[in-house]
Amino acid sequence: GAVVSQHPSWVICKSGTSVKIECRSLDFQATTMFWYRQFPKQSLMLMATSNEGSKATYEQGVEKDKFLINHASLTLSTLTVTSAHPEDSSFYICSVRRGNTEAFFGQGTRLTVV
Amino acid sequence: AQSVTQLDSQVPVFEEAPVELRCNYSSSVSVYLFWYVQYPNQGLQLLLKYLSGSTLVESINGFEAEFNKSQTSFHLRKPSVHISDTAEYFCAVRPLQGGSEKLVFGKGTKLTVNP
Repeated sequence: GAVVSQHPSWVICKSGTSVKIECRSLDFQATTMFWYRQFPKQSLMLMATSNEGSKATYEQGVEKDKFLINHASLTLSTLTVTSAHPEDSSFYICSVRRGNTEAFFGQGTRLTVV
Repeated sequence: AQSVTQLDSQVPVFEEAPVELRCNYSSSVSVYLFWYVQYPNQGLQLLLKYLSGSTLVESINGFEAEFNKSQTSFHLRKPSVHISDTAEYFCAVRPLQGGSEKLVFGKGTKLTVNP
């Protein structure tokens, strides 16, 4: 069964509104979760590393005020796209790592901003 | 820093034909190597991984990959593909120790299996 649950799987929102995406680790506690963004026909680009109980670590070029990450518990991390614009439309995927090597991915969220 | 190059963005093949998806990487330190598969509008699923030991690793659905340290490659192969293998395949690396815990992905190879 699924190890990581991501919700919603798709969302359409109006420009200027905010959207929250949830990532849940189902089988184990995760102190660290990862958020990726994937453009069409492109690879996954790491946006930020979500750390339970502390601030997320953002990759260079990712606006922390635009993409708010909250890792409030050992099984839940949320990504909020604030004041979304059409250029934020993308496929967002979360990942949870178990142990030293194995990473599990959520099913992804297709965000369309109109 | 690490980088991953997947030489082919698209690979069309006929059903039951063999296929090889190429992956080369660059890293100043030893790395773990992974292949992930992504079906349309879905997240990534681990296909196989090389951590240590035998350089040939196999998946349960017939794929295999061989780690070649001298050529810094980790090519993915399957002797006979099925229609259901149609998907995007990503090669990724991660340092064994020290520094970043991040997976670094290639740009992906879209495998299309035609009847």
